[in-house]
Amino acid sequence: GESVGLHLPTLSVQEGDNSIINCAYSNSASDYFIWYKQESGKGPQFIIDIRSNMDKRQGQRVTVLLNKTVKHLSLQIAATQPGDSAVYFCAENGGGSNYKLTFGKGTLLTVNP
Amino acid sequence: GAGVSQTPSNKVTEKGKYVELRCDPISGHTALYWYRQSLGQGPEFLIYFQGTGAADDSGLPNDRFFAVRPEGSVSTLKIQRTERGDSAVYLCASSSGANVLTFGAGSRLTVL
Repeated sequence: GESVGLHLPTLSVQEGDNSIINCAYSNSASDYFIWYKQESGKGPQFIIDIRSNMDKRQGQRVTVLLNKTVKHLSLQIAATQPGDSAVYFCAENGGGSNYKLTFGKGTLLTVNP
Repeated sequence: GAGVSQTPSNKVTEKGKYVELRCDPISGHTALYWYRQSLGQGPEFLIYFQGTGAADDSGLPNDRFFAVRPEGSVSTLKIQRTERGDSAVYLCASSSGANVLTFGAGSRLTVL
């Protein structure tokens, strides 16, 4: 069936480095994508989203890139900080409503001081 | 309130028991959602409320699961005859219109 997956289950970086978290999606009907950050014991926290009519969107220290040709999504975090340590999920809407999201399994980002 | 509030934060029950999980959304948010997150997995959609009515309950796994939102604010997720496989974190989220979902911290359910 259709699914959203992540290339790397874990990522360890040094404080101050840039981080790139990747996500592959297989549902070509998806037209809305979103990244969430989840810290231990907390609910997912919105980071940034992007619609399929865009290739790139920037936020504060974060950038999301969307490559529809290869069905690939990435999250770039600039100058990674210890507070960025968390599990990062990408999610897609499957071409339907934006509330009915399909989440990937997540990538654990560890930032070393 | 300032955020989505969920109670209890932890619930341990025995197989076969009935449980209720409560969600208090952000004030003014008309849309409310329940998701379930199993260990090591991403959240999975269960049900969506717009106002008092369940607009989409296609994610509920079976008829042991039911949710209500009688006054269009607080919602309760009800699970009958709990099974060990129901153990998970149950996340509630709310939104204003079609905006981004804001999640609560979740209720961790453990069925022994």
